[in-house]
Amino acid sequence: ELKVEQNPLFLSMQEGKNYTIYCNYSTTSDRLYWYRQDPGKSLESLFVLLSNGAVKQEGRLMASLDTKARLSTLHITAAVHDLSATYFCAVNTGGSNYKLTFGKGTLLTVNP
Amino acid sequence: DAGITQSPRHKVTETGTPVTLRCHQTENHRYMYWYRQDPGHGLRLIHYSYGVKDTDKGEVSDGYSVSRSKTEDFLLTLESATSSQTSVYFCAISESSGAPHEQYFGPGTRLTVT
Repeated sequence: ELKVEQNPLFLSMQEGKNYTIYCNYSTTSDRLYWYRQDPGKSLESLFVLLSNGAVKQEGRLMASLDTKARLSTLHITAAVHDLSATYFCAVNTGGSNYKLTFGKGTLLTVNP
Repeated sequence: DAGITQSPRHKVTETGTPVTLRCHQTENHRYMYWYRQDPGHGLRLIHYSYGVKDTDKGEVSDGYSVSRSKTEDFLLTLESATSSQTSVYFCAISESSGAPHEQYFGPGTRLTVT
C-alpha cells in the first residue's frame, strides 16, 4: 500500500524564519505535486516536480525532489503571514491515469 | 482559473437518502476525479474518469458510484447516504496529454448527512 507521509503536520513559525516541510513516499513515482489550501477554500497548485533533482521556486517557496530517496521538500524562506495555509504533497500512483495519493497536509501558521 | 464548477456547494441530507453531486468543466479535459477531504486524512480519491463512459475506482469507492455521459460532466452519487459520508467533496480535472498533468480543483461541496 502506498504511503505518503508529511512532517511536520503542524508548524507554527515566526515571520522572517526559515523552515522545511518534508514529504516521504513509499513507492516509485514519476512526479510529485505540492498544493496549497487556505481555510475553507479549494486547493491551488504550487509546483509539479517531474524528475530526480528537480527544483522549483516561487517567491519564498522552493520545492525539490529526490526520487532515489523518495523524498520531496518544501522550503520556506523568511516566512510572512500570507504563507499561513495547509500544504499538501501528492504523488502520482496511477501511471498514465495520474491518480494522486495525498499526504495528510501540513498546517502552517506564521505568527507576527 | 480552470473552469470547474460544482453543485450544489452545500447540502444537508438525511441518512438513507440518495444524493448526487455534479462537477462541470469548460476546459474539455479528458480526466476528471472525485476526492473527499476529511480532517486528519488529507484528500482521498473516490472515483476517476479517463474519458466519456470510462471510469474506475479509487481508494475509498465503497458506497459511491459515478457516471460520465459527456466530457464536461462527472456525477458522483451516494446511493444511500450514511453519516460517515459527511465530508467535503472536491472534483478535479486534468489535461489530456503531456506533462505536467496538474490537477485543477473545483470549489468543493460540503455535504452533511444527519
